[in-house]
Amino acid sequence: GAVVSQHPSWVICKSGTSVKIECRSLDFQATTMFWYRQFPKQSLMLMATSNEGSKATYEQGVEKDKFLINHASLTLSTLTVTSAHPEDSSFYICSALGQLNNYGYTFGSGTRLTVV
Amino acid sequence: GENVEQHPSTLSVQEGDSAVIKCTYSDSASNYFPWYKQELGKRPQLIIDIRSNVGEKKDQRIAVTLNKTAKHFSLHITETQPEDSAVYFCAAHETGFQKLVFGTGTRLLVSP
Repeated sequence: GAVVSQHPSWVICKSGTSVKIECRSLDFQATTMFWYRQFPKQSLMLMATSNEGSKATYEQGVEKDKFLINHASLTLSTLTVTSAHPEDSSFYICSALGQLNNYGYTFGSGTRLTVV
Repeated sequence: GENVEQHPSTLSVQEGDSAVIKCTYSDSASNYFPWYKQELGKRPQLIIDIRSNVGEKKDQRIAVTLNKTAKHFSLHITETQPEDSAVYFCAAHETGFQKLVFGTGTRLLVSP
């Protein structure tokens, strides 16, 4: 089946630094990648949607200059949290849609970000 | 945009009982409704899904029903087992914006 590899699985960084999270579709081409954030005991909140080769579409309230998304190829999308602060600590997870767009959302394994 | 509401937020049942989780959605154009099970610190796992042209779907102990007119869909788990304990999320695929909107989640606890 479709697999999305997400790295790192967890990361601790200092306030003010940047962190990059990668999602790779291993056996299919992901035309669309979704990035979610999940705070403890809460639901998955969509941050942005990216299509290969074009700029990401951000949800209302999500700072595009703080959460940089790159989807340069059909198999790789990255989320960079810039100038991280403790309130950015969360579980970040990607989800990919394949070229057939048959609603087969494939989730990455998630990244636990802790900003100290 | 789409808005998905989910109830209850927590559900405690005894092993062997049935569990029902209900969701409502707002956008009549939504046409795909998956259910996910998420264990602590892990990715959501698709357990069952239903499309808008179907009213009911069953997979062993799990079933989903969809009422398009009322815009609600439900997850039914029969003969619950302790390993069913997890957080369950419903979601709706918002056709116009090509994205998945999640419900608020239900924490299911199955006691032996």
